[in-house]
Amino acid sequence: GAGVSQSPSNKVTEKGKDVELRCDPISGHTALYWYRQSLGQGLEFLIYFQGNSAPDKSGLPSDRFSAERTGGSVSTLTIQRTQQEDSAVYLCASSLAIGHQETQYFGPGTRLLVL
Amino acid sequence: DAKTTQPPSMDCAEGRAANLPCNHSTISGNEYVYWYRQIHSQGPQYIIHGLKNNETNEMASLIITEDRKSSTLILPHATLRDTAVYYCIVRGGGTSYGKLTFGQGTILTVHP
Repeated sequence: GAGVSQSPSNKVTEKGKDVELRCDPISGHTALYWYRQSLGQGLEFLIYFQGNSAPDKSGLPSDRFSAERTGGSVSTLTIQRTQQEDSAVYLCASSLAIGHQETQYFGPGTRLLVL
Repeated sequence: DAKTTQPPSMDCAEGRAANLPCNHSTISGNEYVYWYRQIHSQGPQYIIHGLKNNETNEMASLIITEDRKSSTLILPHATLRDTAVYYCIVRGGGTSYGKLTFGQGTILTVHP
């Protein structure tokens, strides 16, 4: 079946602009996660959703970052007033349910470049 | 979640088995060992996971020591397409339910 999809695949924006990144999880997956990977860095957890609720927002780097999920499916990560340090690959993953035994499956990522 | 230690890099000849070690000496009883890999410019790909028993699937085998303090991922017949960064992750319950914590991983290079 279809995997996790993300759009756009690449985004170039100017400093100070807002951007929206979209994630379509695997159909039927109730849990959704956002990570980011900066150049030469490891993957950093940002936020996760159980259904439409985000129990843990502690990974969001600043209040310029927000995320929402509607209908238990699509999620949008919004970065307001982008800064150059926001340049990274933003990865989305989904799993059937929440739990440390539930496998997360990743999308291809959105490559964000802030000029 | 327990911390993991992996060698920064390894080489393997095409067609040979690649054995990637991981130490997780502080693992607790309910924590799972997960392996992912990331091929250049792609999202991480799930490989395999286990709790205490050895596991095998179409991609790899996972050998977990009896004391669970270390594990080995085995790619039985490595190909050039297996060149990637391999991440060993120990994943537990409690407030860490939602997230995977990635370390630096092992860069596996498969050469002809």
